[in-house]
Amino acid sequence: EPEVTQTPSHQVTQMGQEVILRCVPISNHLYFYWYRQILGQKVEFLVSFYNNEISEKSEIFDDQFSVERPDGSNFTLKIRSTKLEDSAMYFCASSVRDPGGSYNSPLHFGNGTRLTVT
Amino acid sequence: LAKTTQPISMDSYEGQEVNITCSHNNIATNDYITWYQQFPSQGPRFIIQGYKTKVTNEVASLFIPADRKSSTLSLPRVSLSDTAVYYCLVGAFQKLVFGTGTRLLVSP
Repeated sequence: EPEVTQTPSHQVTQMGQEVILRCVPISNHLYFYWYRQILGQKVEFLVSFYNNEISEKSEIFDDQFSVERPDGSNFTLKIRSTKLEDSAMYFCASSVRDPGGSYNSPLHFGNGTRLTVT
Repeated sequence: LAKTTQPISMDSYEGQEVNITCSHNNIATNDYITWYQQFPSQGPRFIIQGYKTKVTNEVASLFIPADRKSSTLSLPRVSLSDTAVYYCLVGAFQKLVFGTGTRLLVSP
């Protein structure tokens, strides 16, 4: 079964450094997402991406965050200047949307990147 | 976005059927109901989705009454490996909001 893959599985960085988290969504999927989960807390929506642009973002997704689909397969999340509170699991997800809008295509998640900011 | 309410935790034994109910009183006409499962340090995994009545797949069934204000995920004959957090989600396609979920503990 095709799956969403994320690299690295664990990233340690110092406060103020830039990090890029990478994801390879399922190949025929059209919508891409980033979520994060701080240890012991809820899974939180960050951003959705379609047709090479952000379609929706949460209040968490401020100017320090950016997303990019640099080629036909990768989808990246960049944090420009990391803070201690950015430490979390970051999940990438993808989905196929039925153009007719009659089916709510489920999200397929990767296994995440654990980001530790020291 | 429709708010959902689920029990915080449930306990069961191997081989039993587990039913987890989620209430979503302000579900919109176009909203689907989707359930995900999450193991520690893993991403949520899609289990089942439905709009109305009953949906069944190889791992679970989803029961949705006519008013769609609640739904029940049914896991037949659970095993230890079903210990996980289960999330009920309702809402807009692009911005699924995860609640706190139901932590299911299956004991031998």
